[in-house]
Amino acid sequence: QQQVRQSPQSLTVWEGGTTVLTCSYEDSTFNYFPWYQQFPGEGPALLISILSVSDKKEDGRFTTFFNKREKKLSLHIIDSQPGDSATYFCAASQTSSGQKLVFGQGTILKVYL
Amino acid sequence: GGIITQTPKFLIGQEGQKLTLKCQQNFNHDTMYWYRQDSGKGLRLIYYSITENDLQKGDLSEGYDASREKKSSFSLTVTSAQKNEMAVFLCASSIDFWGGSQNTLYFGAGTRLSVL
Repeated sequence: QQQVRQSPQSLTVWEGGTTVLTCSYEDSTFNYFPWYQQFPGEGPALLISILSVSDKKEDGRFTTFFNKREKKLSLHIIDSQPGDSATYFCAASQTSSGQKLVFGQGTILKVYL
Repeated sequence: GGIITQTPKFLIGQEGQKLTLKCQQNFNHDTMYWYRQDSGKGLRLIYYSITENDLQKGDLSEGYDASREKKSSFSLTVTSAQKNEMAVFLCASSIDFWGGSQNTLYFGAGTRLSVL
């Protein structure tokens, strides 16, 4: 049973373009949604996160949107750069149940010059 | 800052073999985790340890054992390697387990397992 579904599985964009990754989840008690970025040969690292009390959080070129009614979230990368090429994971947890994150399947992003 | 060191980086085993993966962290974090990463399946939690001397099963614990030897180290044992198994095992740590959204997971670079 996949509680967090991520799409697309892979994505190619040109440098300067906007990247949009999406996730949906099933458990309505989830209230914390981090996005992790993983470069080849490295472990994932926290990129940006959002709590269910917010609908948008921005950090430079990265913005995450949250839609509680639809149980969906998205990650937007504006002015995409080749250095953004990585695998991106969305995740979810219920903070009162501790730090047991449920991860999506991941999206492999390639940004070409 | 700190670092999570996983050894070995690559592990090749034989079917039925018992294999041990090691993880060390110098963040002085209370909580440590083992995740398995398979292509197309994301990260799945195998075991976690909330504090030293604690051990909790994750969703994928069958076929694995874990040991928290001390606060800074957490080992994972594959009890019987499966033929043609290939996966990346990621160790992570966080300040504690109950800090909610303040608790970032910090990951090691992983151990890549291949079973012949």
